[in-house]
Amino acid sequence: DSGVTQTPKHLITATGQRVTLRCSPRSGDLSVYWYQQSLDQGLQFLIQYYNGEERAKGNILERFSAQQFPDLHSELNLSSLELGDSALYFCASSEGTGLGFGYTFGSGTRLTVV
Amino acid sequence: AQKITQTQPGMFVQEKEAVTLDCTYDTSDQSYGLFWYKQPSSGEMIFLIYQGSYDEQNATEGRYSLNFQKARKSANLVISASQLGDSAMYFCAMDLSGGYNKLIFGAGTRLAVHP
Repeated sequence: DSGVTQTPKHLITATGQRVTLRCSPRSGDLSVYWYQQSLDQGLQFLIQYYNGEERAKGNILERFSAQQFPDLHSELNLSSLELGDSALYFCASSEGTGLGFGYTFGSGTRLTVV
Repeated sequence: AQKITQTQPGMFVQEKEAVTLDCTYDTSDQSYGLFWYKQPSSGEMIFLIYQGSYDEQNATEGRYSLNFQKARKSANLVISASQLGDSAMYFCAMDLSGGYNKLIFGAGTRLAVHP
């Protein structure tokens, strides 16, 4: 157990629907990152939060949004889902945002859009 | 542009032998870090080893070592005494100072260890 908890582990939903992925960071970690791993795009950074505030944004679609709550857990909301959104979504956490801060990944949520 | 290149889509190695997985990177930053992660078929991402750009010695973690050649911009992972459990995808990644710790990943190398 890495200490980063992602739920659900698997999700199957239909096109056009909306889903919420949840992440609880490792105890003491203030920073949460979301990544998408798909067959065609590989591992791509989506967004980062630090202590409740958005810090960095990557190739995140406008249909996707995220937030980090006061208890530091984070949610990634995916709406108007398309077949191409099928992917493994990882959450990771770290203590800080400086160079070399260790990352701990969760086990991922596998999203299948049918 | 910042980029990580892993040129070996697949590699195989005999059990107990050593194997080198290649990684080259491109950045104009002077401060950066290089990571290797392992992703077994179960899907989780497992941290293996880290090398900072200013570290003078190559990083080692057990059977893993990182062959860091700064002038060549390469950060190859060496796995010694391969085990069957080493069969997995391996990703090289980079973080940049000022990049808020977001990682840039390579496409990965699939390693198969044969008995």
